[in-house]
Amino acid sequence: GQNIDQPTEMTATEGAIVQINCTYQTSGFNGLFWYQQHAGEAPTFLSYNVLDGLEEKGRFSSFLSRSKGYSYLLLKELQMKDSASYLCAVRDSNYQLIWGAGTKLIIKP
Amino acid sequence: TAGITQAPTSQILAAGRSMTLRCTQDMRHNAMYWYRQDLGLGLRLIHYSNTAGTTGKGEVPDGYSVSRANTDDFPLTLASAVPSQTSVYFCASSDPGTGDHSEQFFGPGTRLTVL
Repeated sequence: GQNIDQPTEMTATEGAIVQINCTYQTSGFNGLFWYQQHAGEAPTFLSYNVLDGLEEKGRFSSFLSRSKGYSYLLLKELQMKDSASYLCAVRDSNYQLIWGAGTKLIIKP
Repeated sequence: TAGITQAPTSQILAAGRSMTLRCTQDMRHNAMYWYRQDLGLGLRLIHYSNTAGTTGKGEVPDGYSVSRANTDDFPLTLASAVPSQTSVYFCASSDPGTGDHSEQFFGPGTRLTVL
């Protein structure tokens, strides 16, 4: 079967750095997405990786290792507004997204 | 532009009743999707449409039907609602023609409670 694993919840301090891991086992691989979802709102796109390595976008970076079935989202200089759930999703061989359950990130002052 | 709109925002529905959740996008995206999101679970795909006039079944299609008469609209119908269909429903769209990236854009969601 297809499976995306990520931690249920993480806590970090304002101004610090946090890394949210995602491991996956899917039928094929056509890219990995990270989305941010604030409570009660829709998911919004953060990043996309299809080749191994690091993609940097401002305070957010995403890393991919296809051989290990592994990705992480790195958030730097954490702000209170970064409190949200972070969703990892893999596009499979049918070009459909398989979603993890999400990681709820709590930022403390 | 509005992006994707969904209606209603929330609804309480008696079991056995039918209901249609509406979704409209103004981005001229070819592909549209319906997901349900339940606590502790990832988004699960109900139905999708790669282009107007075509639809396909996702991971959890039972009890739901869709139609895609035009590019902009993608309604989701529950023929006879059951309590297990209580969930938050998100509509999304994407444009595969924009290249390999083609992320999905989401509507604000419909919170449905079936009693």
